[in-house]
Amino acid sequence: DQQVKQNSPSLSVQEGRISILNCDYTNSMFDYFLWYKKYPAEGPTFLISISSIKDKNEDGRFTVFLNKSAKHLSLHIVPSQPGDSAVYFCAAASGNTPLVFGKGTRLSVIA
Amino acid sequence: DAGVIQSPRHEVTEMGQEVTLRCKPISGHNSLFWYRQTMMRGLELLIYFNNNVPIDDSGMPEDRFSAKMPNASFSTLKIQPSEPRDSAVYFCASSLYRVGGYTFGSGTRLTVV
Repeated sequence: DQQVKQNSPSLSVQEGRISILNCDYTNSMFDYFLWYKKYPAEGPTFLISISSIKDKNEDGRFTVFLNKSAKHLSLHIVPSQPGDSAVYFCAAASGNTPLVFGKGTRLSVIA
Repeated sequence: DAGVIQSPRHEVTEMGQEVTLRCKPISGHNSLFWYRQTMMRGLELLIYFNNNVPIDDSGMPEDRFSAKMPNASFSTLKIQPSEPRDSAVYFCASSLYRVGGYTFGSGTRLTVV
């Protein structure tokens, strides 16, 4: 059973608008959450993270929000740029256990 | 640092053949992970090592799969015999504990025909 779920396989957004990618998790022991970005023919690269003691973390155009009660996190990209077009993976871990990944959401930013 | 290096980038092999995937982690990282990416299951963990010792191989799908880490700078994932359903992209990643997350290699795209 998937512990980390990304229910939207794809998302299209116009350049300059906000992109919102969502992720749900089932394991209440998860205490660290990350987003990875993946371009074709490359490995995933770390984008941004948040620990369970926070509800928001911001890095430039990227902000991750965590709602522990809903077991939900989201990644906001503002403003979206064509170079942001990629597959985004949500990942989670508890303690020092390995990261558990979602299936990914393909973001297309249209110029 | 050149990052995590995987070889080969692409592998096409016939069903029943042995396949060996290779990984060189980032120097100084103490954990190494093998993941497999498929459309159906996304990124799934196969096995991971801490300080060269296998910790959890419960994600290895069958006995046909085996992994080794003989030293801190090299790991292999072997499939013997290979089957068409093993076709996927296999990623190696390394990390120093959890700081900054994992660094992934570029992956090996395996096709078994």
